[in-house]
Amino acid sequence: KAGVTQTPRYLIKTRGQQVTLSCSPISGHRSVSWYQQTPGQGLQFLFEYFSETQRNKGNFPGRFSGRQFSNSRSEMNVSTLELGDSALYLCASSSQTSAYNEQFFGPGTRLTVL
Amino acid sequence: KQEVTQIPAALSVPEGENLVLNCSFTDSAIYNLQWFRQDPGKGLTSLLLIQSSQREQTSGRLNASLDKSSGRSTLYIAASQPGDSATYLCAVRWGVSDKLIFGTGTRLQVFP
Repeated sequence: KAGVTQTPRYLIKTRGQQVTLSCSPISGHRSVSWYQQTPGQGLQFLFEYFSETQRNKGNFPGRFSGRQFSNSRSEMNVSTLELGDSALYLCASSSQTSAYNEQFFGPGTRLTVL
Repeated sequence: KQEVTQIPAALSVPEGENLVLNCSFTDSAIYNLQWFRQDPGKGLTSLLLIQSSQREQTSGRLNASLDKSSGRSTLYIAASQPGDSATYLCAVRWGVSDKLIFGTGTRLQVFP
């Protein structure tokens, strides 16, 4: 079974631009969550989608948005990029069909904002 | 406020030692707790998940325990190897949603 995949793996943008990151969950998983990892703040929750609905959102500005498609694939978008948005963006998926509900992470997208 | 803390922040040990990594959390009403491993610049690899009703979980040389009443979990690594060198992260889920709150991690180095 293939794991969680994220594209692209690396991205370089300049301030003011916008970016879209993609996440494909493990086959059969309907829940997708996004996290931002930086050296200063560690891993912080961005948002969670289940069956195309945003179920939970972290404490990030409105420049950060996401969506989920009917095949459970998810995208996140960051508009008007700032230098502080440079980070590793991680996506996780889970089946949400049992209480056990282990989460599995993708390799991440490394975003550098110049 | 729901927070997760990990001690120590870094650990350097010779090969073969048994290790204990600590994780503490506020608010004992957790749903589950998951331990992850992260290699530099990589994603997270799930090691063990403990449900709130469980006291411990084992996988190979790894054993994780959970004491909800004291707000603590430990990850025990037996007979450490250089390949165990990585950052170990503890994450707690407090609700039905998948939101995880992570600790800051313990960076482990095992030298030959």
